[in-house]
Amino acid sequence: LAKTTQPISMDSYEGQEVNITCSHNNIATNDYITWYQQFPSQGPRFIIQGYKTKVTNEVASLFIPADRKSSTLSLPRVSLSDTAVYYCLVGDMSGTYKYIFGTGTRLKVLA
Amino acid sequence: EAGVAQSPRYKIIEKRQSVAFWCNPISGHATLYWYQQILGQGPKLLIQFQNNGVVDDSQLPKDRFSAERLKGVDSTLKIQPAKLEDSAVYLCASSLEEGGKLRGDIQYFGAGTRLSVL
Repeated sequence: LAKTTQPISMDSYEGQEVNITCSHNNIATNDYITWYQQFPSQGPRFIIQGYKTKVTNEVASLFIPADRKSSTLSLPRVSLSDTAVYYCLVGDMSGTYKYIFGTGTRLKVLA
Repeated sequence: EAGVAQSPRYKIIEKRQSVAFWCNPISGHATLYWYQQILGQGPKLLIQFQNNGVVDDSQLPKDRFSAERLKGVDSTLKIQPAKLEDSAVYLCASSLEEGGKLRGDIQYFGAGTRLSVL
């Protein structure tokens, strides 16, 4: 099964930039890399998606190197409300195509 | 645009009882997913529907879990009989594209149903 590896947890302070790196060595040629954010008592919420190089939207940037075996989610100037669990997903190439959620990265933003 | 609706939000039952969860996806979304999320873990896919057909149910414990998506719109997930280890949040998600064709299909999640089995 395709797997992603992320740090289990990270701490940061308000106003800092946070970078969360995800390793996905078995990514397939046609797979996109997708990041979700989950707050307590809520379902995951889509943040950003990319295929290669760099993608930026109003909340985050996603950096993907040429070999696509990893990706980095960048959150600029985090606030307390960014405290959440962040999941990196790529597709599972075995059997029916589906996403596999790992344990995610628990980000805690401190005042 | 209305999001994915789930009910109930919370449910407490005793082991060996039955329980059902309901999900109404975003209008027009072809694919519907049910996930189980145990505390401290990421969501685990239980079953994936494309319209009203099952695409993947390889991780659904079929001896006690069942799901249906009649008419290709809303869906029901049932557990009968429940076990203590079924205590979890059950998440429903939907996506626009037919599952499997686009490897970047964005999923939209409901708030989930928190099940406690005593």
